[in-house]
Amino acid sequence: KAGVTQTPRYLIKTRGQQVTLSCSPISGHRSVSWYQQTPGQGLQFLFEYFSETQRNKGNFPGRFSGRQFSNSRSEMNVSTLELGDSALYLCASSLRQVSYNEQFFGPGTRLTVL
Amino acid sequence: QQQVKQSPQSLIVQKGGISIINCAYENTAFDYFPWYQQFPGKGPALLIAIRPDVSEKKEGRFTISFNKSAKQFSLHIMDSQPGDSATYFCAASRINSGSARQLTFGSGTQLTVLP
Repeated sequence: KAGVTQTPRYLIKTRGQQVTLSCSPISGHRSVSWYQQTPGQGLQFLFEYFSETQRNKGNFPGRFSGRQFSNSRSEMNVSTLELGDSALYLCASSLRQVSYNEQFFGPGTRLTVL
Repeated sequence: QQQVKQSPQSLIVQKGGISIINCAYENTAFDYFPWYQQFPGKGPALLIAIRPDVSEKKEGRFTISFNKSAKQFSLHIMDSQPGDSATYFCAASRINSGSARQLTFGSGTQLTVLP
């Protein structure tokens, strides 16, 4: 079974631009969560989608948004990029929303904002 | 209330030694405590997890000790190997206001096992 895939793996943007990251969950997984990982802040929860609905959102500005499609694939968008948005963005999928099912992480997208 | 505090930030042990990483939490709503292992260039991968109704869980060389009253849990890696060199994250999970399960991560421990 293929794991969680994220595209692109690396991205370089300049301040003020916007970016869209993509995540394909493991087949059959309906819950997708996004995290931002930085050396200073560690792993921080961005938002979670289940059945095309955002179920919860972390403490990030409105510039960060996402969506989930009917095939459970998810995208996140960051508008008006700032230098501080440089980070590894991780997507994780799981079978169900509430159970203890393991979250499987993708390799991440490394975003660099110049 | 949402924080999970992890220590130490970095840890160096000799091959064959015991690595111990500690975490503490405040929110008693947390009901599932996983540990993740992350190698450079990879996403975190679940290593071992425990629920608060048990005090210890062992899987191979990896053991979680859990102290519910102290709201602390720790990861012990016995007979540490150079291949265990990675970043380890503790996490705590709860059902959030959106009726979804949400993970809160510790800050991570960079483990280096010397050959």
